[in-house]
Amino acid sequence: DGGITQSPKYLFRKEGQNVTLSCEQNLNHDAMYWYRQDPGQGLRLIYYSQIVNDFQKGDIAEGYSVSREKKESFPLTVTSAQKNPTAFYLCASGISRNTIYFGEGSWLTVV
Amino acid sequence: RKEVEQDPGPFNVPEGATVAFNCTYSNSASQSFFWYRQDCRKEPKLLMSVYSSGNEDGRFTAQLNRASQYISLLIRDSKLSDSATYLCVVLYSSASKIIFGSGTRLSIRP
Repeated sequence: DGGITQSPKYLFRKEGQNVTLSCEQNLNHDAMYWYRQDPGQGLRLIYYSQIVNDFQKGDIAEGYSVSREKKESFPLTVTSAQKNPTAFYLCASGISRNTIYFGEGSWLTVV
Repeated sequence: RKEVEQDPGPFNVPEGATVAFNCTYSNSASQSFFWYRQDCRKEPKLLMSVYSSGNEDGRFTAQLNRASQYISLLIRDSKLSDSATYLCVVLYSSASKIIFGSGTRLSIRP
């Protein structure tokens, strides 16, 4: 079955560490997205990519970095420059038949 | 001003009630619209697309008003299981960006 796989589901980060969240899709989608969600808040766009080797900043890109070396993969690195990284992170790809496909999300906590 | 705005709620209504949410968008180039449902600590799931002519799916009705730049979701005969956060989603015509509203929390009480 086609879909999006995000990992890890839970991740702990120490102060000053970089961590990378994985997002893989086998839906043959060109577009992929990363969103951040804080408790009780909506989804905010971090980065998006429409094609391999190209990506654009979203509304809250500071402190994050991405790469798109392969169509299937769009990893997100939360750098030490992100001062408040504790949040729920969602990867998405789309649009197929007017549907956005989401991964199951990753919970990042700073310890 | 946010590109997509929703009333955050929470809406707390009794079972069986009818409830309506609105969502406004600022970019007239926006082309496609959706309502997503998100349960606590889960990823959003598509509830329904929103078409210009309006569309209905069981107890749910979605409307689009391009002139006033808003979409709406009406839930009739609400069930306990309808309790969730409802996200309004707008896709720009270039399909380069998907923008989510901040969500409206709905709580149905027995």
